[in-house]
Formats: sequence, structure tokens, C-alpha cells
Amino acid sequence: GQQLNQSPQSMFIQEGEDVSMNCTSSSIFNTWLWYKQEPGEGPVLLIALYKAGELTSNGRLTAQFGITRKDSFLNISASIPSDVGIYFCAGQLRVGGSSNTGKLIFGQGTTLQVKP
Amino acid sequence: EPEVTQTPSHQVTQMGQEVILRCVPISNHLYFYWYRQILGQKVEFLVSFYNNEISEKSEIFDDQFSVERPDGSNFTLKIRSTKLEDSAMYFCAGDGSQETQYFGPGTRLLVL
Repeated sequence: GQQLNQSPQSMFIQEGEDVSMNCTSSSIFNTWLWYKQEPGEGPVLLIALYKAGELTSNGRLTAQFGITRKDSFLNISASIPSDVGIYFCAGQLRVGGSSNTGKLIFGQGTTLQVKP
Repeated sequence: EPEVTQTPSHQVTQMGQEVILRCVPISNHLYFYWYRQILGQKVEFLVSFYNNEISEKSEIFDDQFSVERPDGSNFTLKIRSTKLEDSAMYFCAGDGSQETQYFGPGTRLLVL
């Protein structure tokens, strides 16, 4: 089945540093989503990407939908302690027709720790 | 801002018992999903639900699982006879027209 490879698996950085993480897939998606999860909570949507090549920002976060539709990256600039958490990419392939479900395929997550 | 809510937040049950996990999706959403996350692992798709029927289910979603949307607001996941390996966080998610899924806070299920 479809699988996403997310890297790196974990990062330990100094406050103020920039962070980059990415996801790759062997198959295409037509939506990429980036979520952040904190312990004991549900994934919170950060950025949604709908078009190949699209570059979208949300505050200090920037994400891009790869041209091949098989990859995406997320950058966090000037990290702060509250950026700590697990970041997940998720791909969705929704095609026409009521039978299509739009299920999300998740990456393994990148655990980010920020040292003040 | 509307949110997806889930109850209970935690549930402890004995193996073989039935559990029902409840979700109230955002009111204008059309597609509904259940996912689970075993501790320390990634989020896995269980089932999707659209127009009052299951549209897709994963291999995990066997005959012990069922979903319902009994009253147009609640969306439930039932596990008929729980197994130890059903212990996980269960997330409900909803999707309107924006192709963007919003997740609830989850129910932590522990099967003893």
C-alpha cells in the first residue's frame, strides 16, 4: 500500500535555529497536509497544500508541495520552545466520484525538541 | 472556531468487553473518519464514512469494529469484543469541502 517516508526521525535543536523536515512517497498524492501533535492530544493541522509546486506559509512555518506530487517539506524558522512536538506529514489522494474516501496516509513523524 | 469533540477522553476496559467511542464532528462536514495511533507509532486509517455508509475500511477494521452516525450529529466507533492489541488512541476526523481533515483530541483506550 501507499507509504510515506518522513525524515529526520528526530531533531534536537537550539532555540532560534531553523528546522527542515520532509516526506517522500513512491506514489502521488493530490493533497499534502502537515500536522503537529503534542503528547496526549490529537493532530493539529498546520498547513494544507493542494497543488503541485505550491508554497504556503503560516507564520514561521513554510511548506511546499513537490512538483512530482510525491514529496513535501516543512520548514520552521527561528524555532521557539513551544515548537516542541511531533510533526506528521499526511498525503491524501482524492479522486472524483462518491466512492473515493480521501483517507490520509501518515508519515512516521519527526520529533522536534528545542533547547532554550 | 468549531472543533471536533470526542468522549470519553480515557477508557479502561477488560478484554472481551464492548466499547463505544463517541465523536461530534464539525457540523458542516460531510466526510468522517476514524484513525488510531498505537503508543509511539504513526496515525493509521481505520474507516471512512460518507452519506451514511462506510466508503472505505482498512485491514485493521475487521468484523469486531462498526461505525454509526445515528442522529446526524454523533459519529460512533464500536468495538464489540476488545483485544489487548486494541489499546491505542482513537481519533475521529472530519472533512468538509476543503479537503482538509480536522482531528478530535482522541480517546485513549486501554484494554486489560
